[in-house]
Amino acid sequence: KAGVTQTPRYLIKTRGQQVTLSCSPISGHRSVSWYQQTPGQGLQFLFEYFSETQRNKGNFPGRFSGRQFSNSRSEMNVSTLELGDSALYLCASSLNRLTTEAFFGQGTRLTVV
Amino acid sequence: KQEVTQIPAALSVPEGENLVLNCSFTDSAIYNLQWFRQDPGKGLTSLLLIQSSQREQTSGRLNASLDKSSGRSTLYIAASQPGDSATYLCAVSDGNTDKLIFGTGTRLQVFP
Repeated sequence: KAGVTQTPRYLIKTRGQQVTLSCSPISGHRSVSWYQQTPGQGLQFLFEYFSETQRNKGNFPGRFSGRQFSNSRSEMNVSTLELGDSALYLCASSLNRLTTEAFFGQGTRLTVV
Repeated sequence: KQEVTQIPAALSVPEGENLVLNCSFTDSAIYNLQWFRQDPGKGLTSLLLIQSSQREQTSGRLNASLDKSSGRSTLYIAASQPGDSATYLCAVSDGNTDKLIFGTGTRLQVFP
């Protein structure tokens, strides 16, 4: 079966712009989580959605937001981009939140110039 | 606050060696522990999931153990190969914060 699909794979944006990233989970999975990975901070949790509801949020500014649709696909949006937002953004899906195995997509590499 | 530590940070070994990667966590209130592999610039590939009630899981040349009471997990890689070269990450599903919390990883290089 198809894995977790993230689009686009690469993005280059200018400071001040906004960006939307997309994640399609494995069919049947209802939980989608987002992570930011940087060399200095490692993997940091952004937020988690389950059945279209945000269940948890990490310590990121309000410029970072997300949503989940009825088909479980999720988007995350970053507004007013800063240079420090340059990172690999990873999406994970699981069947039932934290008690089941998490599967990750290939990520979106965002570069802010 | 749950903290996950992985030792060593980096490891370089010749092909054929058996390896042990270590992961420790500070709070035993976890749902499960998962080991991942990450190749440079890529996403994470799930290797093994150990539920909190389990002691170990095996997949091919990989064996992971979990001692929840002492806050430790080990990933054993038998007969290492150059294709095993990657960063290995462990993560715990934290029961208090309802988050998947990652360690900083072990960068493994297996040379021919």
